[in-house]
This record gives sequence, C-alpha cells and structure tokens, in this order.
Amino acid sequence: AQTVTQSQPEMSVQEAETVTLSCTYDTSENNYYLFWYKQPPSRQMILVIRQEAYKQQNATENRFSVNFQKAAKSFSLKISDSQLGDTAMYFCAFPGGATNKLIFGTGTLLAVQP
Amino acid sequence: EAQVTQNPRYLITVTGKKLTVTCSQNMNHEYMSWYRQDPGLGLRQIYYSMNVEVTDKGDVPEGYKVSRKEKRNFPLILESPSPNQTSLYFCASSIRGPAGDTQYFGPGTRLTVL
Repeated sequence: AQTVTQSQPEMSVQEAETVTLSCTYDTSENNYYLFWYKQPPSRQMILVIRQEAYKQQNATENRFSVNFQKAAKSFSLKISDSQLGDTAMYFCAFPGGATNKLIFGTGTLLAVQP
Repeated sequence: EAQVTQNPRYLITVTGKKLTVTCSQNMNHEYMSWYRQDPGLGLRQIYYSMNVEVTDKGDVPEGYKVSRKEKRNFPLILESPSPNQTSLYFCASSIRGPAGDTQYFGPGTRLTVL
C-alpha cells in the first residue's frame, strides 16, 4: 500500500532560525511528484514546493527547500529564516498512482515563536 | 483570478437533511476531486472526476454523491447527512490528474451535522 508518514506531530522554531520537517513515503512507482502543502489558520491549502522524483536536484523555492532521498523514500522540508507567517500545519503528499488521488500525511503543526 | 471556489464556507445542519456543497473552478481544469479533512487523519479523497461525465470513488465515498455535468463544476451531495460526516471539506482541481500536476484547492467548507 502507498503511504505517507510524518512522524513529527508538532514542532516549534524561533523566528529567523531553520527548521526541518520530515516525511517518508512508500510507493512502487518510479516516476512521480512529491508535494509539501501548507495550511495556515485560514484553512486554505497552499502549495509550498514540489519535487519531481526523476530529478536528482533538490527543489528550492525562496526560503523553502527539500532534501529528497529517493532510495530512502524520504522527502524532508527545510524552512530557512523562519517567519511568523510560516506558522501552519504542513502536509507532505504524493500521488496515489492509478487511484488518481493525493495521499497525504497526517501533518506537522509548526509554530514559529517570536 | 484563477481560483477554486466553494459554497457555502460554513454549514450547520441536522441529520437527514439533504445538502449540496458547490465547487467551481475557472482554470479549465479537466480533473476535480473532493477531500475531507479530519484531525489526525490528514486529507482523504471522497470522489474524483477525470473529465465531464466521468467520476469515480475515492477512499471514503460512502454517504456522498457527485456529478460532473460541465467542466467547471463538481458539486458534492449529501443525500442524508449523519454526524460522522461532520468535517472540513476541500475541493481541488488540476489540468490533468494529481500524478504530474499541482492540485489547486478551494478555501474549504466546514460542515457540522447535528
């Protein structure tokens, strides 16, 4: 079965510091995308970053970057220079193959402290 | 502005009273999907649609119906709501399916069934 595991239910970081959120997944697919979504208190689901599994290079979007380890099936999100507006629930997700859905982890609640 | 809209945003109803949550996208996307979000469970897919008149069940379809009569709209119908359908519901869309496309989410509908 295809699964996504986020082992950190909650994390806290000081403003301006760096934090890494973990995600592992299990799939038999070879080519796929991986996503990190952010859900702030407004409840809107916002795409943070995506990674294409066939690309060696880790994706980067401004202060957000990933550490993608395909063999280990690991897809962590690094947030640099954390800001108060980064406070949110973060979900790791990847497509469920033939089932045409995104499979989501249970989320990591990140609190950025002033 | 490219967006996915949902209505209503908040709804409190009683057991057995039929309701419809509307979803509309203005991006000419082929694929649309409904998810429900519950604490500790992440997001789970209810139904999806690859194109007009093509719909299929997701992981938790019991108690829900959908229709896709036109490309832009994908309403979620609860014929006889029950308290276990109290949840936060998201509609999502993308050009194709989630395997290679970013999913764009609506703002969410918080449903309470008494």
